[in-house]
Amino acid sequence: EVQLVQSGAEVKKPGESLKISCKGSGYTFTSYWIAWVRQMPGKGLDWMGIIYPGDSDTTYSPSFQGQVSISADNSIGTAYLQLSSLKASDTAIYYCARRVAGHAFDMWGQGTVVTVSA
Amino acid sequence: DIVLTQSPASLSLSPGERATLSCRASQSISTSLAWYQQKSGQPPRLLIYDASTRATGIPARFSGSGSGTDFTLTISSLEPEDFSVYYCQQGSKWPLTFGGGTKVEIK
Repeated sequence: EVQLVQSGAEVKKPGESLKISCKGSGYTFTSYWIAWVRQMPGKGLDWMGIIYPGDSDTTYSPSFQGQVSISADNSIGTAYLQLSSLKASDTAIYYCARRVAGHAFDMWGQGTVVTVSA
Repeated sequence: DIVLTQSPASLSLSPGERATLSCRASQSISTSLAWYQQKSGQPPRLLIYDASTRATGIPARFSGSGSGTDFTLTISSLEPEDFSVYYCQQGSKWPLTFGGGTKVEIK
């Protein structure tokens, strides 16, 4: 069974950093792009960036460039999203998703809830 | 960035009725458009990709059409489980972008 399993919920203080993981299984991890998508409370979906684990090629949305870092460890089939200098406005659910044909995303992680509060 | 505008923002219909959701792109994206369904507390689920191809396991009552800048998701006869939020997403140019969503509510 193809799955993306994300790390658990996090509560952080403003200014702290965070690294969320997304472990792929049931498929060849290095053959599919993995994207990260943010969903703020009660809002829509924001595409943050994407990585191809096969060669670590990475593209970021200009809205998130410099604010986040996406990486992958092929030895354990896991992609990461690093958020630094957290603000209250980073409070959101963060999803990873596997890209298939036409830049659509056919498999999503369960989401990681991040709460940033003093 | 390519802006996707979904309309209406919300739609109130009864089970068995037909739902027609629109997604308009700010520039041509050919057929590089996907549709997702998102229920409360769950991640999005891919319904349609390449504007009109149903994803694996998606019922035939869901259909997509359009090309260029205007796209439509049609649900031919609403089932109780179809009442949720729907998003479109373009894959034509970086950065990939999503529409703001259409909420399909029970009338």
